[in-house]
Amino acid sequence: EVHLVESGGGLVQPGGSLRLSCAASGFTFSTSWMGWVRQVPGKGLEWVATISQDGNEKYYVDSVKGRFTISRDNAQNSLYLQMNSLRAEDATVYYCARCVAHSAAFWGRGTLVTVSS
Amino acid sequence: DVVMTQSPLSLPVTLGQPASISCRSSQSFVHSDGNTYLDWFQQRPGQSPRRLIYKVSNRDSGVPDRFSGSGSGTDFTLKISRVEAEDVGVYYCMQGTHWPWTFGQGTKVEIK
Repeated sequence: EVHLVESGGGLVQPGGSLRLSCAASGFTFSTSWMGWVRQVPGKGLEWVATISQDGNEKYYVDSVKGRFTISRDNAQNSLYLQMNSLRAEDATVYYCARCVAHSAAFWGRGTLVTVSS
Repeated sequence: DVVMTQSPLSLPVTLGQPASISCRSSQSFVHSDGNTYLDWFQQRPGQSPRRLIYKVSNRDSGVPDRFSGSGSGTDFTLKISRVEAEDVGVYYCMQGTHWPWTFGQGTKVEIK
């Protein structure tokens, strides 16, 4: 059974940084594209970033380019999202997702990021 | 970006009756591999989203057959043949062809 567990969320001041982690199990992590999706209050779901199996291809939504970095450690079955220069509008729940067929086939339970002074 | 527009945004339904959600895109999104990456997700209250349908009409494992997806070009539909109480939640369409992958605004299904 696919299991994705996010961690690393919390309270951070505007301009601060956080690193989200996602521990994956129940599937062959090293052969799966992975991604991060966030749930924007009042605006629904937004794909933040996605990464190829070997980490060589990365895609970001425009609003986080230059601030967020997606990465992975296939030896540790882990996905990461380094978030810098955080803004109030980045505050929301972030989901880790396993991508199958260009889509989020499996989701974690999410981790909450709060940006406030 | 490909804009996905759902309608209606709110859908009160009677138990046992059918329901239909429309999803229209701002442009066609047939991938170079020939596939149309249009998916449907269900988010029950307090839960993470769950994929129901991928590539327009393929049901995910464990999804009841009362859910079906159809459509082509820029016009897609999710149908529930007979709504059950457990179907309450928000439903999203999503295109996975052009980056950034984009979701519709969501349709809230509730029981009358």
